[in-house]
Amino acid sequence: GAVVSQHPSWVICKSGTSVKIECRSLDFQATTMFWYRQFPKQSLMLMATSNEGSKATYEQGVEKDKFLINHASLTLSTLTVTSAHPEDSSFYICSAPIAGRTDTQYFGPGTRLTVL
Amino acid sequence: KQEVTQIPAALSVPEGENLVLNCSFTDSAIYNLQWFRQDPGKGLTSLLLIQSSQREQTSGRLNASLDKSSGRSTLYIAASQPGDSATYLCAVSNTGNQFYFGTGTSLTVIP
Repeated sequence: GAVVSQHPSWVICKSGTSVKIECRSLDFQATTMFWYRQFPKQSLMLMATSNEGSKATYEQGVEKDKFLINHASLTLSTLTVTSAHPEDSSFYICSAPIAGRTDTQYFGPGTRLTVL
Repeated sequence: KQEVTQIPAALSVPEGENLVLNCSFTDSAIYNLQWFRQDPGKGLTSLLLIQSSQREQTSGRLNASLDKSSGRSTLYIAASQPGDSATYLCAVSNTGNQFYFGTGTSLTVIP
């Protein structure tokens, strides 16, 4: 079946630094990818929709200048958390439908970010 | 905006019991609904996907039903096992793209 990978699986960084998280569709093309985050003991919340070749669309309350999204190819979307602070510590998960299909989505394994 | 609620928030049952997890959503015009399992600190494992035209899906000991008109779905787990202990998430999609997740039900199956 289709696989979505994320890298890194976990990262610890100092406050004020930037962290890049990659989401890759390994055996299919994805013109759209979705980024979610999950705070401890809470459910997943959609942050933004990543669109290949165009700007990402962000959900209300998500700072686009803080969470930079780049969908450079049909198999790769990156989320960069700029000037990370402890409150950005969370579990970040991406998902992707196969291009042209909406019957199912594939979720990555997630990236746990801890900001000290 | 779609809102998804899951009841109960936590459930503890003895091994071997059958159980039902509930999910409700506010906008009945969904495209599909999916049940996931999440183990502590881990990603999501897709369990069952129900398209809007379907009423139920089954996989092994799991059965998920969908009543779109009333905005409800249930996940039935038969003969529960300790390995079933996890958080179960219900998610709905209005377009087939982004999902709106419920708050989850934390299940503990006691040996």
